[in-house]
Amino acid sequence: KAGVTQTPRYLIKTRGQQVTLSCSPISGHRSVSWYQQTPGQGLQFLFEYFSETQRNKGNFPGRFSGRQFSNSRSEMNVSTLELGDSALYLCASSSTGYGTDTQYFGPGTRLTVL
Amino acid sequence: EDQVTQSPEALRLQEGESSSLNCSYTVSGLRGLFWYRQDPGKGPEFLFTLYSAGEEKEKERLKATLTKKESFLHITAPKPEDSATYLCAVQAVERGATNKLIFGTGTLLAVQP
Repeated sequence: KAGVTQTPRYLIKTRGQQVTLSCSPISGHRSVSWYQQTPGQGLQFLFEYFSETQRNKGNFPGRFSGRQFSNSRSEMNVSTLELGDSALYLCASSSTGYGTDTQYFGPGTRLTVL
Repeated sequence: EDQVTQSPEALRLQEGESSSLNCSYTVSGLRGLFWYRQDPGKGPEFLFTLYSAGEEKEKERLKATLTKKESFLHITAPKPEDSATYLCAVQAVERGATNKLIFGTGTLLAVQP
């Protein structure tokens, strides 16, 4: 079974631009979560989608948004990029999203904001 | 506030030198505790899930244990290929279903031959 895939793997943007990252979960998985990983803060939860609905949201500004499609693929968008948004953005999928499903992570998208 | 703390931040071992990594947590209610391994430039790789105090799980040279306040990841006779960052995460009891994980900042393990 193919794992979680994320595209693109690397991105370089400048301040003020916006960016869209994509995540394809493991086949059959309906829950997708997004995390931001930085050297100082570690992994921080951004948001979670289940059956096209945002189910939970972390403490990030409104510039960070996401959505999930009917095939469970998910995208996240960051508008008006700031230097501090430079990070590894990780997507994780799990099968049902109930109880303590194991979350499987993708390889991440490395975003650099200049 | 729910919180996860890992120690030490970094650990250097000689090949074959056993040791333990610590993960202490403060949550209103624990649904599950997860251990992941992360190699440079890659996403976290799932290792174990523990649900209740007293539970233990093993995989090759790794053994994870759980108490009411902390978890340990024991590494027996490590090899250089065990070098990685080990991440601990908890899923807290929340109103409604959620997969949200709260991560510690990790322990960077280096095993020298």
